[in-house]
Amino acid sequence: EAGVAQSPRYKIIEKRQSVAFWCNPISGHATLYWYQQILGQGPKLLIQFQNNGVVDDSQLPKDRFSAERLKGVDSTLKIQPAKLEDSAVYLCASSFGLAATGELFFGEGSRLTVL
Amino acid sequence: AQSVTQPDIHITVSEGASLELRCNYSYGATPYLFWYVQSPGQGLQLLLKYFSGDTLVQGIKGFEAEFKRSQSSFNLRKPSVHWSDAAEYFCAVVSMTTDSWGKLQFGSGTQVVVTP
Repeated sequence: EAGVAQSPRYKIIEKRQSVAFWCNPISGHATLYWYQQILGQGPKLLIQFQNNGVVDDSQLPKDRFSAERLKGVDSTLKIQPAKLEDSAVYLCASSFGLAATGELFFGEGSRLTVL
Repeated sequence: AQSVTQPDIHITVSEGASLELRCNYSYGATPYLFWYVQSPGQGLQLLLKYFSGDTLVQGIKGFEAEFKRSQSSFNLRKPSVHWSDAAEYFCAVVSMTTDSWGKLQFGSGTQVVVTP
């Protein structure tokens, strides 16, 4: 069974530039998550989708971050314009059900460096 | 507000020695608790989870964890550490508050270094 796929693995940009990350979850998983993991911290949930609807985006900085999951399968997370503090690993995860009862499967992450 | 705390940022252990990682939570009811492991350059992988029932839970890779309500703890243990256990370990709790139901909240992690 294929795992959660993410790309690109690494990205270096200058501040005020834009960047996009892509995620393809495990087939059949209805719930998709984007987490931000800053060095030395645990992952922080940015946005959670159930199929193609947003369940929780309360911690997404909406002035610069956006995410979509148009067909309920793969998802894109965009940052525009990027700030220095956005340097982090962006983790995508998926689950069959809700996080409350199910296991989350994580991709390897996309490491962003903002200069 | 709910929270999960991992007091130890970094632990060094000799190969073959036992390992215990601490996790404390702040939550009114019985929480859903998880331990995840993140190997270098990898995504997080679930080691074990506790919902209810037996307070000692077994996980993958020889890990176990014990839920202690009186201490608000969910410590992770392994009797004999292997070099491949060098990784970062995250304790997590599922939020059951009205405004963030089902959200998985992670601790700040404990980095484990294994020496020969």
